[in-house]
Amino acid sequence: LAKTTQPISMDSYEGQEVNITCSHNNIATNDYITWYQQFPSQGPRFIIQGYKTKVTNEVASLFIPADRKSSTLSLPRVSLSDTAVYYCLVGERGGYQKVTFGTGTKLQVIP
Amino acid sequence: DTGVSQDPRHKITKRGQNVTFRCDPISEHNRLYWYRQTLGQGPEFLTYFQNEAQLEKSRLLSDRFSAERPKGSFSTLEIQRTEQGDSAMYLCASSLDGRGRLPNSPLHFGNGTRLTVT
Repeated sequence: LAKTTQPISMDSYEGQEVNITCSHNNIATNDYITWYQQFPSQGPRFIIQGYKTKVTNEVASLFIPADRKSSTLSLPRVSLSDTAVYYCLVGERGGYQKVTFGTGTKLQVIP
Repeated sequence: DTGVSQDPRHKITKRGQNVTFRCDPISEHNRLYWYRQTLGQGPEFLTYFQNEAQLEKSRLLSDRFSAERPKGSFSTLEIQRTEQGDSAMYLCASSLDGRGRLPNSPLHFGNGTRLTVT
């Protein structure tokens, strides 16, 4: 599966839009991009998945450029409850991921 | 649908003892996964079932680890002769493989079993 690279940590003030970028230079033609959120002492929770261009749901937006070598998770108007670790993965549609999630991006929302 | 449940939430054991964890997936999900997560790291894949068949095992899964999913429903993960290095959060996840007739679902995780080996 394609390896991903994301920032280790980010800080943001409440109410700001947060964009977390993930690099996946070796993404395969059939791979989808999936983002998960994890709070302490909980399992990861699915946020959003996409293949190309833009995907939006009630929680976030996912922007994928034409070459698909990177993607950006956008969280609008973050609140303190968005403080969590965010993981970017690429692979089979539906999120079957048989490798490590990586260390993810630890987002700290500041009041 | 109550989500993926794992039991127990916490387990403290002495080195050398055997432990068994249980995972109850979302009922209609045909895929079940086990992951291990240590502090500050992302989840690492251990093994994966399609229905009752164990289709893949990571090289991280030593001979002391065994997983089963009888009848394609709940699953158990057993660790024999535990070592201090086994201390971690053990996460179970399930998903639906739509087999081309339905969309595949993303992974749904339980809240894990935290194992401490003293």
